[in-house]
Amino acid sequence: ILNVEQSPQSLHVQEGDSTNFTCSFPSSNFYALHWYRWETAKSPEALFVMTLNGDEKKKGRISATLNTKEGYSYLYIKGSQPEDSATYLCAFRDSSASKIIFGSGTRLSIRP
Amino acid sequence: DGGITQSPKYLFRKEGQNVTLSCEQNLNHDAMYWYRQDPGQGLRLIYYSQIVNDFQKGDIAEGYSVSREKKESFPLTVTSAQKNPTAFYLCASRFNIPGASQYSNQPQHFGDGTRLSIL
Repeated sequence: ILNVEQSPQSLHVQEGDSTNFTCSFPSSNFYALHWYRWETAKSPEALFVMTLNGDEKKKGRISATLNTKEGYSYLYIKGSQPEDSATYLCAFRDSSASKIIFGSGTRLSIRP
Repeated sequence: DGGITQSPKYLFRKEGQNVTLSCEQNLNHDAMYWYRQDPGQGLRLIYYSQIVNDFQKGDIAEGYSVSREKKESFPLTVTSAQKNPTAFYLCASRFNIPGASQYSNQPQHFGDGTRLSIL
């Protein structure tokens, strides 16, 4: 079974501070990495789809980087706001591209 | 509006009973997925289907069954063989057109989930 790890499991950040967390995945047979944001009482929503080594994607204050050779991706949030509070999931697709394996998520809480 | 609808939102099962969770999408997506989430754990894949009338087991398929008779629908049955069915169940879908590069990496769209509990 492919293993996707996210760290830390939970994170408490002061409003206005920047933060980042990690997704580790198998470095072989890479096809794509997806990031999702899952707010309480809502369904997960896609943030980024990353496919190429060295990819860097940005959406507002949130950005992500990808290193397929060493098998990790970072998600960065600049100037955290209360609405950033959510669980952030990463999902790995291998080269068979049929299965998608999720990490257990990083639960982010922003303190006002 | 296009989307994925899961029903019911809450479901209770008696011991020895089969129950079916509904998942319907009007996004014209080809592939559909069922995940289970337990407290403190990530989403684990139960079953997935890439086209109508075809489906594959995920990592934790034992005690579950699915069907894919229509493109829009992918119901999940939790059978009495599933000894620990209490969990949160999420359905997802995505485009999956072989050879169509613009669809090869579309993210999944998720429903709102069904929480199943044992009486």
